[in-house]
Order: sequence, then C-alpha cells, then structure tokens
Amino acid sequence: NAGVMQNPRHLVRRRGQEARLRCSPMKGHSHVYWYRQLPEEGLKFMVYLQKENIIDESGMPKERFSAEFPKEGPSILRIQQVVRGDSAAYFCASDDRGYYNEQFFGPGTRLTVL
Amino acid sequence: AQSVAQPEDQVNVAEGNPLTVKCTYSVSGNPYLFWYVQYPNRGLQFLLKYITGDNLVKGSYGFEAEFNKSQTSFHLKKPSALVSDSALYFCAVSHLNTDKLIFGTGTRLQVFP
Repeated sequence: NAGVMQNPRHLVRRRGQEARLRCSPMKGHSHVYWYRQLPEEGLKFMVYLQKENIIDESGMPKERFSAEFPKEGPSILRIQQVVRGDSAAYFCASDDRGYYNEQFFGPGTRLTVL
Repeated sequence: AQSVAQPEDQVNVAEGNPLTVKCTYSVSGNPYLFWYVQYPNRGLQFLLKYITGDNLVKGSYGFEAEFNKSQTSFHLKKPSALVSDSALYFCAVSHLNTDKLIFGTGTRLQVFP
C-alpha cells in the first residue's frame, strides 16, 4: 500500500509565476489536508478537502491560493503569482475519516521562489 | 481557541538515558493528542495518539506518552534514547468537530553518543 505521494519534491519558481503542487492520498483515503511549514516553524493548516468538496479552508490565504480534489486524480494546491514569502515546504496528509484518526503525511514539496 | 505549546526548542540527552519532550495543550472539551516525528527533508511520521482510555499511550520505536488532564500535558517519553532518535518532534491536537491538526512549534531532540 503506497503512502501519500507528492510531486514534485522540489519546485523552483520565479516571482510572478504559478506553482502547482500535487498530492495523491493513500489508497482508501478520501480526505486530504494541506499544511505549510515555513523555515524553522511548525506546520500550519491550510485546507481540508474531500472529493470535489472543500470542507475547511480557514488556513488558506485569501488571495492567490486555491485547492481542489477532483473526482479523479490527485489533489492540487495552486499558488498564483508566487512571491518570495511563499517559499516553504508544503505537506499533504490523508486519512480515512474520523476526528481521532491519525493523518498520514507525504514527503512534502519544497517550493523555492527566486 | 485550540493551541499546543512545546516549551523547549531543543532537548539534548546522552544515548542510553531517558528522554522527555514536553507538550501542553489548550482546548475546550476532550482533546485528541498526537505525536509526530520529522527527519531531515522528510515528511512527518506518526508516533502515537491519545483518544480516550489509559493515560499512558505506547507508540512506535519504543516511545510512549502520558496524558495528564489536570496539567493539560501530553509529554513524550522514552526510557533509553538512541542516537537515531535525533529528529524534530511535533505535538498536535485535534478536537471533536475539527478535523485539522494544530501543531506545536516542534522540539529538536539531539541524542549524543
């Protein structure tokens, strides 16, 4: 059973470009979470999605950031017009539902904005 | 508002000695508590969780944690540290009706040979 997969592992963008981060949850998991980890900081919740639904986006910046989890295919975190402050590690996690279930994390995508 | 505090940025311990990584939480109602470990350039790995029941929870790699409701703490412990335990440890909390995890700022554990 493959774990949570994220790609790319490393992404370099220039200011103003778009970044698209992909996450495939563990097999059997229908809930996806995105977290951001800034250098030397803990993880901050961004968004929680189920298939074709955004359940909680309270941690998403109001502008430039969007997320989706289509019926088919991976979850996508999209950052438009990136700025240097977007440089961070973005982690995806999944679970099979339940407030008390542990979330399984992917290896992360490290975004560097030049 | 829910929050998690890890008061120590770094914990140093000699190999073979017991280790403790501290965590306190603030949440209304009954919390669900988790410990994760992060190795360099890797994602987080689940260690253990407390949902209900026995206050002493045993997890992966010989780690355990004790839930103390009166002190609102969930300290991570291991009787005998290994050099390979050196990593970044995160405490997290979630709460009924809230699926997201709230993480502490992390504690870097350094085990010296």
